[in-house]
Amino acid sequence: GEDVEQSLFLSVREGDSSVINCTYTDSSSTYLYWYKQEPGAGLQLLTYIFSNMDMKQDQRLTVLLNKKDKHLSLRIADTQTGDSAIYFCAESLSSNDYKLSFGAGTTVTVRA
Amino acid sequence: KAGVTQTPRYLIKTRGQQVTLSCSPISGHRSVSWYQQTPGQGLQFLFEYFSETQRNKGNFPGRFSGRQFSNSRSEMNVSTLELGDSALYLCASRPGGQNNEQFFGPGTRLTVL
Repeated sequence: GEDVEQSLFLSVREGDSSVINCTYTDSSSTYLYWYKQEPGAGLQLLTYIFSNMDMKQDQRLTVLLNKKDKHLSLRIADTQTGDSAIYFCAESLSSNDYKLSFGAGTTVTVRA
Repeated sequence: KAGVTQTPRYLIKTRGQQVTLSCSPISGHRSVSWYQQTPGQGLQFLFEYFSETQRNKGNFPGRFSGRQFSNSRSEMNVSTLELGDSALYLCASRPGGQNNEQFFGPGTRLTVL
């Protein structure tokens, strides 16, 4: 995950919005993903965005992509205690290379 | 539709032994990738199989190998286990073609003593 960077921790109050940020360095990235991992579990695909898009919204989740700055963010509206988890940003480099390069993950803690 | 299944879920081995992990992708998915997750190195790509052929390989020693069967199920093998091989091994399933949605299984937790 050396090409994908994320902040390590985020604490948010229940009901507030969470914003998790990610930067990537490879301008040839074609797909960018957000995964969620709860303790003892595998990775749950939350959403992904194609590199020619600026924004994607899916219920409480909004993904913003700034390709010029190579910056990706995930906004979770109305954060709930069940949103406490580690969130991973990942990229795949080309339309024929499906290898995912992951960031180190952001641990989100939702407090009451 | 059933998700990605991995067996076994937990495994304890000793140094020098070998281990085989299994992954059954989502029905209809033809691509299986394997990842290693450790606290120190994070998530690292091992290899990808598509239609029984290895299409991509990560930077791991030759002790790590895999294969895929005609029903798309995949196995990965680690020989001559080392303490540093202790990790969560995750399998990801993808439909194939240009579809880039990748779905992960629950993982196999391998502990090497």
